[in-house]
Amino acid sequence: QVQLQESGPGLVKPSGTLSLTCAVSGGSISSSKWWSWVRQPPGKGLEWIGEIYHSGSTNYNPSLKSRVTISVDKPRNQFALKLSSVTAADTAVYYCASYFYGDYGDFFDYWGQGTLVTVSS
Amino acid sequence: DIQMTQSPSSLSASVGDKVTITCRASPGIRKDLGWYQQKPGKAPKCLIYAASSLQSGVPSRFSGSGSGTEFTLTISSLQPDDFATYYCLQHNSYPRTFGQGTKVEIK
Repeated sequence: QVQLQESGPGLVKPSGTLSLTCAVSGGSISSSKWWSWVRQPPGKGLEWIGEIYHSGSTNYNPSLKSRVTISVDKPRNQFALKLSSVTAADTAVYYCASYFYGDYGDFFDYWGQGTLVTVSS
Repeated sequence: DIQMTQSPSSLSASVGDKVTITCRASPGIRKDLGWYQQKPGKAPKCLIYAASSLQSGVPSRFSGSGSGTEFTLTISSLQPDDFATYYCLQHNSYPRTFGQGTKVEIK
């Protein structure tokens, strides 16, 4: 059973950089999944941020692309999110998740518990 | 971006009721759609993938249908554990986009 665990600062100053890490246990980050970030502002819906494959290939949401970097650390079996130039609009619960591509369909199969990041001075 | 329009945004229902939630995609997305359930303070959970395939372990009262531009999630007989928010998610093209969500509340 794969488990994902987000970690990082819960408070970031405006114009700063949000940095989160997702530790993967119970499975290898080099497996055939895309490792993803999804966020949810308080009381609002879900927004896909982007994803990375263990090869380093990435896909980002164009609405955030200029500010987002997702990276993978294979020796540590984890991946990371950096979001620069943050504002209060980036306050959200940030989830890491794994995206599975199957022969009959694909979907998010495992999720972290989520971590609230607040942007405030 | 593909626009996902989900309706209704909320509904009130009683245990035992049949509940239907709709997502419309523009443009069409074949059957590249999943349905997710989210309870307060928890991560989403996949119920349906490929528009109509039931995820392993999900009760059979949940079903999905549709293709192209219109999709439906149906709960045949609402149970107490089903009160939650439901989201559709398209994965036909990047960026992946979620519907706005449907909150299912107790009547």
